[in-house]
Amino acid sequence: EPEVTQTPSHQVTQMGQEVILRCVPISNHLYFYWYRQILGQKVEFLVSFYNNEISEKSEIFDDQFSVERPDGSNFTLKIRSTKLEDSAMYFCASSGDPIREQYFGPGTRLTVT
Amino acid sequence: RKEVEQDPGPFNVPEGATVAFNCTYSNSASQSFFWYRQDCRKEPKLLMSVYSSGNEDGRFTAQLNRASQYISLLIRDSKLSDSATYLCVVNTDTGRRALTFGSGTRLQVQP
Repeated sequence: EPEVTQTPSHQVTQMGQEVILRCVPISNHLYFYWYRQILGQKVEFLVSFYNNEISEKSEIFDDQFSVERPDGSNFTLKIRSTKLEDSAMYFCASSGDPIREQYFGPGTRLTVT
Repeated sequence: RKEVEQDPGPFNVPEGATVAFNCTYSNSASQSFFWYRQDCRKEPKLLMSVYSSGNEDGRFTAQLNRASQYISLLIRDSKLSDSATYLCVVNTDTGRRALTFGSGTRLQVQP
């Protein structure tokens, strides 16, 4: 069964450092997303991406964040200068249709110290 | 009013019990509705989609009431493996593709 994969599973970084979180969406999906979940809180939308551009972003997704699809399979989230409050689980998701089910990867746990 | 509201629980039920979760959503333009389950520190996994008047999948039944902006999930014959957090999720098709998550209802099925 096709699945979304993410690397790394856990990333520890120091405040102010740049991190890149990587995702490989399901191969025939065209819509890609990043969500985050701070420990003990609900899952929150960050950004959606379609046709090589951002479709929508939330207020969380400020200038410190960027997304890219560098090749035909990877989808990345970059945080330019991490803050303590960026510590969270980051989930990538993909879907074949913008209003249908989204399938989530296993997540990257980001810890900013 | 929260966009998607759920009772946080926890619901503690014995094996074999029937349990029901409720969810309300605030945006009447919402188009797609889902139940996901999330195990501790894992990703949300799609349990079932809820379309039109609802649907059933084995022991799970989801209902949608658009007039009341209310979604429910019924689990029959609970198993230990059903213990998880159940997330009510809504997609509002007004050009948005983002899923809006409820905070989840925790279920603990006990032997």
